[in-house]
Amino acid sequence: AQSVSQHNHHVILSEAASLELGCNYSYGGTVNLFWYVQYPGQHLQLLLKYFSGDPLVKGIKGFEAEFIKSKFSFNLRKPSVQWSDTAEYFCAVKPGGFKTIFGAGTRLFVKA
Amino acid sequence: NAGVTQTPKFQVLKTGQSMTLQCAQDMNHEYMSWYRQDPGMGLRLIHYSVGAGITDQGEVPNGYNVSRSTTEDFPLRLLSAAPSQTSVYFCASSYKSAGGPTDTQYFGPGTRLTVL
Repeated sequence: AQSVSQHNHHVILSEAASLELGCNYSYGGTVNLFWYVQYPGQHLQLLLKYFSGDPLVKGIKGFEAEFIKSKFSFNLRKPSVQWSDTAEYFCAVKPGGFKTIFGAGTRLFVKA
Repeated sequence: NAGVTQTPKFQVLKTGQSMTLQCAQDMNHEYMSWYRQDPGMGLRLIHYSVGAGITDQGEVPNGYNVSRSTTEDFPLRLLSAAPSQTSVYFCASSYKSAGGPTDTQYFGPGTRLTVL
């Protein structure tokens, strides 16, 4: 079955630390890839997405993600996190058609 | 635009009760979905609709019904609530991109449901 695996369920960082959240998916064909973010008390919103072209995708608030097809990965990165990045982050894969498959989420807490 | 709206924000039910979670969008999106969010499991698709009058099942459809009589509205019905349906429910909508596959989803604020 198609699935999305996020490596860490909880991450705690200090401000200014670098962030990398892992995401791997199991699907051999063409996929569209997303990272969504859910800030405390808010609904999910799109952080960035990859459909085609440059595998390094830049999103809002200084986030970026790299699609590595050979590794079936779409890891999220940020060079220097801020307290306001405290949120839950979801990787999602759309393997064609309508359905989107979400990972279990990673809760990030940034210490001020 | 209000985007995607959901009511109620919170609801407590007793086992066996029925209720309808409301979802509406004002972006004229063709596609609408219902997800449930449970700790450690991410979002799981319950039902979805690709247009008015057309609905289909997602990963976890049992115990839920949907209908889509208009483009704007996509209510989710719990037929006989069970404690296993305690969750946060999100409605989402998306539009069909020019290339065919659907694009980014826009989420509502969620409904937190507790079934006792």
